[in-house]
Amino acid sequence: GAVVSQHPSRVICKSGTSVKIECRSLDFQATTMFWYRQFPKKSLMLMATSNEGSKATYEQGVEKDKFLINHASLTLSTLTVTSAHPEDSSFYICSGSIQGLNNEQFFGPGTRLTVL
Amino acid sequence: AQSVSQHNHHVILSEAASLELGCNYSYGGTVNLFWYVQYPGQHLQLLLKYFSGDPLVKGIKGFEAEFIKSKFSFNLRKPSVQWSDTAEYFCAVTLYGNNRLAFGKGNQVVVIP
Repeated sequence: GAVVSQHPSRVICKSGTSVKIECRSLDFQATTMFWYRQFPKKSLMLMATSNEGSKATYEQGVEKDKFLINHASLTLSTLTVTSAHPEDSSFYICSGSIQGLNNEQFFGPGTRLTVL
Repeated sequence: AQSVSQHNHHVILSEAASLELGCNYSYGGTVNLFWYVQYPGQHLQLLLKYFSGDPLVKGIKGFEAEFIKSKFSFNLRKPSVQWSDTAEYFCAVTLYGNNRLAFGKGNQVVVIP
């Protein structure tokens, strides 16, 4: 149980365009969803935390206007990278957690974004 | 600054060898501790976790970890590795009552058949 999916798994886009990544909890209701960014040979860096129906809480240094997060339902969160640039190329991973389950997070498979 | 440290980023060992991966954190309060594994091409999976109680935690696939509060450590161990244990291993920490995970940089483990 506790499966999280992401779509797309890979995306290549031109500089200046916007890209939307979806994160879905398939068999549970995720009261909280998280978005991470993973650089090559580095750890996952938390970008933001979102609760269903609320505005996302961004980590220090993460641009809110560049990385738009929407958590419209208990099973779906989206991350939109606006006006993407090559430096935004990265591996983006989402996770979901269930309220009261000791903070355990269930991770999606990630989305590889390449900005040309 | 609060952080999670993992040493020896690259570990290469032969099958049946013992594995120990170190994890130290710098948070001062009560913490929840996790080890995640990422097999090649797959998503992060939880290996084991510690919230309270017995500081020696048993996880899946024969892994265990020991929480030593005085050393701010949560080292991962496996007595005898298999080729299928080739993966990247991440230690992660949340503060009690806080659900934000802080990850270490990971250990890339390669097991040679």
